[in-house]
Amino acid sequence: DQQVKQNSPSLSVQEGRISILNCDYTNSMFDYFLWYKKYPAEGPTFLISISSIKDKNEDGRFTVFLNKSAKHLSLHIVPSQPGDSAVYFCAASAISNAGGTSYGKLTFGQGTILTVHP
Amino acid sequence: NAGVTQTPKFQVLKTGQSMTLQCAQDMNHNSMYWYRQDPGMGLRLIYYSASEGTTDKGEVPNGYNVSRLNKREFSLRLESAAPSQTSVYFCASSPSPGVWGYTFGSGTRLTVV
Repeated sequence: DQQVKQNSPSLSVQEGRISILNCDYTNSMFDYFLWYKKYPAEGPTFLISISSIKDKNEDGRFTVFLNKSAKHLSLHIVPSQPGDSAVYFCAASAISNAGGTSYGKLTFGQGTILTVHP
Repeated sequence: NAGVTQTPKFQVLKTGQSMTLQCAQDMNHNSMYWYRQDPGMGLRLIYYSASEGTTDKGEVPNGYNVSRLNKREFSLRLESAAPSQTSVYFCASSPSPGVWGYTFGSGTRLTVV
């Protein structure tokens, strides 16, 4: 039962264009969402996050959008750079201990391989 | 500033052998986690330790045991390795269960033949 899903295994974009990575979730108790970036032979590193009280969070070239009604979030990278080529994981959790659902634990999606061509 | 250190980086085991994956963090974090990464499955939580002295099962705990040796160290043990445990294992830590600044180690690539 995959509670966090990234349905696109890979994405290829041209340098300078926009990259849009998508993520869907099923657990309505999730109220905090994160994106991690992973290079080969390294551990994932935190990229950007958003809480459910917001619908957008921006950090430089990276923007995360949250649509709670659709249980969908997306990561926009503008402009894309070759150094952005990596695997991107979305993750979700609950920030309260109400019901104990996923409190303190991140549930990850399957990952999307982004390739940015020069 | 080492962060989260995992050893070994690579390991090949024969089916039925046992081994322990080591993880240590130097950030004074309270919570530690073990994940495995498999193609098409993403990162799945094996076990976690919300604080020193406590451990709990995650999504895929079967075939594994853990020990929170002290605040710094959290080990993962495979008692009788199986080919299905071939994976990349990541240890992570965070200041507390409710804080999302997970710091990951660089991983252990384990192959069971």
